Amino acid sequence: DGGITQSPKYLFRKEGQNVTLSCEQNLNHDAMYWYRQDPGQGLRLIYYSQIVNDFQKGDIAEGYSVSREKKESFPLTVTSAQKNPTAFYLCASSSDRAEHNEQFFGPGTRLTVL
Amino acid sequence: GNSVTQMEGPVTLSEEAFLTINCTYTATGYPSLFWYVQYPGEGLQLLLKATKADDKGSNKGFEATYRKETTSFHLEKGSVQVSDSAVYFCALGELYGGSQGNLIFGKGTKLSVKP
Repeated sequence: DGGITQSPKYLFRKEGQNVTLSCEQNLNHDAMYWYRQDPGQGLRLIYYSQIVNDFQKGDIAEGYSVSREKKESFPLTVTSAQKNPTAFYLCASSSDRAEHNEQFFGPGTRLTVL
Repeated sequence: GNSVTQMEGPVTLSEEAFLTINCTYTATGYPSLFWYVQYPGEGLQLLLKATKADDKGSNKGFEATYRKETTSFHLEKGSVQVSDSAVYFCALGELYGGSQGNLIFGKGTKLSVKP
C-alpha cells in the first residue's frame, strides 16, 4: 500500500532536548511538507521541500530544522530553541506542485514536552 | 497575502440534518480550492476539490461549488450521519512565487452529529 508514515505516534521529551520526528513516503512524490496543528489555529506550515537536497522555510520555521537527503524521507527536528513545542505535527506530500495536486497526509505525531 | 476564512465551530447537528460550513477566500488569481476532513487523532484526508470557477467538487454526499463572484467555497451535505463527526478544513493552493503549490488552510470547523 502506498502512503505516508510518521513515527512515533506519541512522543514525550524533556525541556531542553532536541527530538526528531520521522516522515516517510512511498508515493514517489517530489514535494514534502511539515505542518504544526494547535487547537483552534488550523495548520501552520513549518518547512517544505520541492526536491531532494532543497527545502524552504514556511511560516513558523524558528526552532525547527529539516533535511531532505532522500526523496522518500523528510525528518523534522524540534530543537530546544522552539519555545512551545507541544503540538500535533503532520507531514504531507504531493506529486506536482505546479498542478496544485492534493497533498496526502500522514497520521501525525503528537509531541508533548514534559 | 492569500487567506482562507471559515465559519467557527463547533457545529452540532442532529442526524439527517442539513449541513453548511461557510468558507471564503482572498487570493490573487483563481487558485484551486479544497476541503479536507480530519477524524479524531488522525491526519487529514482530501474530501473534495475544485480547480476552476463554477466547478463543483463532490464526494461521499458532500458538495462545494467554486464561486468566484463571492470568493466562496461552502461545504454542504443534505443529510449528515454520526460518522461525519470530524473537523473540516477549507484550503486554497498558492499560485505564484516560491510558495507556488503550497496550501493555505482555514482554522477548521468541528462538526458533531448527534444520533
